[in-house]
Amino acid sequence: AQSVTQPDIHITVSEGASLELRCNYSYGATPYLFWYVQSPGQGLQLLLKYFSGDTLVQGIKGFEAEFKRSQSSFNLRKPSVHWSDAAEYFCAVGPGATDSWGKLQFGAGTQVVVTP
Amino acid sequence: DTAVSQTPKYLVTQMGNDKSIKCEQNLGHDTMYWYKQDSKKFLKIMFSYNNKELIINETVPNRFSPKSPDKAHLNLHINSLELGDSAVYFCASSQGPSGKGNQPQHFGDGTRLSIL
Repeated sequence: AQSVTQPDIHITVSEGASLELRCNYSYGATPYLFWYVQSPGQGLQLLLKYFSGDTLVQGIKGFEAEFKRSQSSFNLRKPSVHWSDAAEYFCAVGPGATDSWGKLQFGAGTQVVVTP
Repeated sequence: DTAVSQTPKYLVTQMGNDKSIKCEQNLGHDTMYWYKQDSKKFLKIMFSYNNKELIINETVPNRFSPKSPDKAHLNLHINSLELGDSAVYFCASSQGPSGKGNQPQHFGDGTRLSIL
């Protein structure tokens, strides 16, 4: 079974500064990887996903993520954060191409606070 | 024209009561899910249905019973509510099971269940 770790529970960043959120996964093969964002009182919204191919993935709201197989990581980045980026961010890993029914495993989340 | 809608949004009730949460998706998806998010924001899958068939049934007390009358609806009934059931419950849907295809999940806004 796959697992996912988000080492940072909480990150504070100034508006306009760059942001990087870490995600490490454990899985025997190439997993499917996702980043979701949860704004207060809302459900989760998909930011981007990686299945195969180009390891640098572009998403919505100016986010990108890079899959690094050697480091088992899928870190999320944004060059310049906006106050509206304050939210909880979840990395999720799925079992990849498989014939069996799989499920997403979510990380514990990273809360991002944006200061003026 | 909400994609995944849950009702009610808030549910406050007493211990021992029985309650239901309803979920509907208008995306034409085949697969629906129930997740529980605890007070630390940890998100854990409870159930998943594909075309009305139960495919994922995690270690959940049998007081929780999902029902899928058709593939656009997945309801969750909870008997004999306990204090530990207090959480946010999210419904989600995807075109196919996340582990069997490259399909991200679309989430509802959640139902905040508080047990007094």
